[in-house]
Amino acid sequence: SYELTQPPSVSVSPGQTARITCSGDALPKQYAYWYQQKPGQAPVLVIYKDSERPSGIPERFSGSSSGTTVTLTISGVQAEDEADYYCQSADSSGDVVFGGGTKLTVL
Amino acid sequence: EVQLVESGGGLVQPGRSLRLSCAASGFTFDDYAMHWVRQAPGKGLEWVSGISWNSGSIGYADSVKGRFTISRDNAKNSLYLQMNSLRAEDTALYYCAKDAGIGVWLYYFDYWGQGTLVTVSS
Repeated sequence: SYELTQPPSVSVSPGQTARITCSGDALPKQYAYWYQQKPGQAPVLVIYKDSERPSGIPERFSGSSSGTTVTLTISGVQAEDEADYYCQSADSSGDVVFGGGTKLTVL
Repeated sequence: EVQLVESGGGLVQPGRSLRLSCAASGFTFDDYAMHWVRQAPGKGLEWVSGISWNSGSIGYADSVKGRFTISRDNAKNSLYLQMNSLRAEDTALYYCAKDAGIGVWLYYFDYWGQGTLVTVSS
């Protein structure tokens, strides 16, 4: 199976825009998904199929894709957005792959 | 409201076995594939295994292939993970997760349980 690469950490001030990237060779052919995980809690899906937002997820969360990189963008970051974020995809054989996770710190 | 409640975790010695269960409610269980995802302490997420709605299609991560067996009982709205030959590196919080696709595998997860902790240590 292949790998998804994320930066270990991203820091941003409240109200600013946070961008978290995820790179993988199969991403041009496979959808990417994003999960938010706060300490002591289960992951929550925030973006599916590269750029779709589930119901109940704030509009400030968006996703985009370009070549082998997908990006989770959080506009107008709030303190409550501080969490670990994981990208996820699946390879052609159906094996699920997660990125290593990015810790978002709101300064 | 979708609920996934895992159970069966605990402390187990290396080489021994453990069976995890996940009780599902709030959706039509036999319409969806289900998965197990684990998270070692302080580490990231790792997909462990998935099973289609009718148990006709099953997949495993290479790290557990040959040692773990996933199954489901649609009559009981339950998902299981039989873990044999456990190793220290299997120590993790094990999450039950619902596939987002109805009748098909979409390979992503729209609902997660709170997890059950498995500790493998002598």
